[in-house]
Amino acid sequence: DAGITQSPRHKVTETGTPVTLRCHQTENHRYMYWYRQDPGHGLRLIHYSYGVKDTDKGEVSDGYSVSRSKTEDFLLTLESATSSQTSVYFCAISAGNSPLHFGNGTRLTVT
Amino acid sequence: QKEVEQDPGPLSVPEGAIVSLNCTYSNSAFQYFMWYRQYSRKGPELLMYTYSSGNKEDGRFTAQVDKSSKYISLFIRDSQPSDSATYLCAMSESVTGGGNKLTFGTGTQLKVEL
Repeated sequence: DAGITQSPRHKVTETGTPVTLRCHQTENHRYMYWYRQDPGHGLRLIHYSYGVKDTDKGEVSDGYSVSRSKTEDFLLTLESATSSQTSVYFCAISAGNSPLHFGNGTRLTVT
Repeated sequence: QKEVEQDPGPLSVPEGAIVSLNCTYSNSAFQYFMWYRQYSRKGPELLMYTYSSGNKEDGRFTAQVDKSSKYISLFIRDSQPSDSATYLCAMSESVTGGGNKLTFGTGTQLKVEL
């Protein structure tokens, strides 16, 4: 899994509560990404990071924020979870102009 | 219209068959083309990665890119039950800071029957 660990692997939470997902890499890659995967939509980019404290929005960033205080960690936060954020979340890493490698995902259910 | 179109299947073939998976795209800014394989409850795993038009072969897998037609294909020869998975095409363009933004197809579910 290219040295990527996502935690937690599964989470059930209630509408309106804050949730933070963590991605940890051991590859020292500069670029990190958060995607969500939903039936009929495939994988869609939420946010990405091109260095410590450098982040930018993807195509489905509303309701999500990210932080990267260390090269190895990229956090995704849902400030106030909604049912539409029930999804499988994947973290990916890359070294410059190279393919992305993905973690095994976090399955999030918002009730 | 989505930027990347992929037939979702499902596609069922007998063991040993040749499988053809396809995607079309509309964004001329896409520079790199990839195929990922995803098993149930796992992350996508990179299978093939190519930049230019033409064919690239790796074992039983061949990736084909036709930039003039905006069409990419993945061929699997001598398919095996272990090839049963969802196959995702992906295309990349450069973004702020030098990273790659991937746009994915929705995936084709493949089942190889004994």
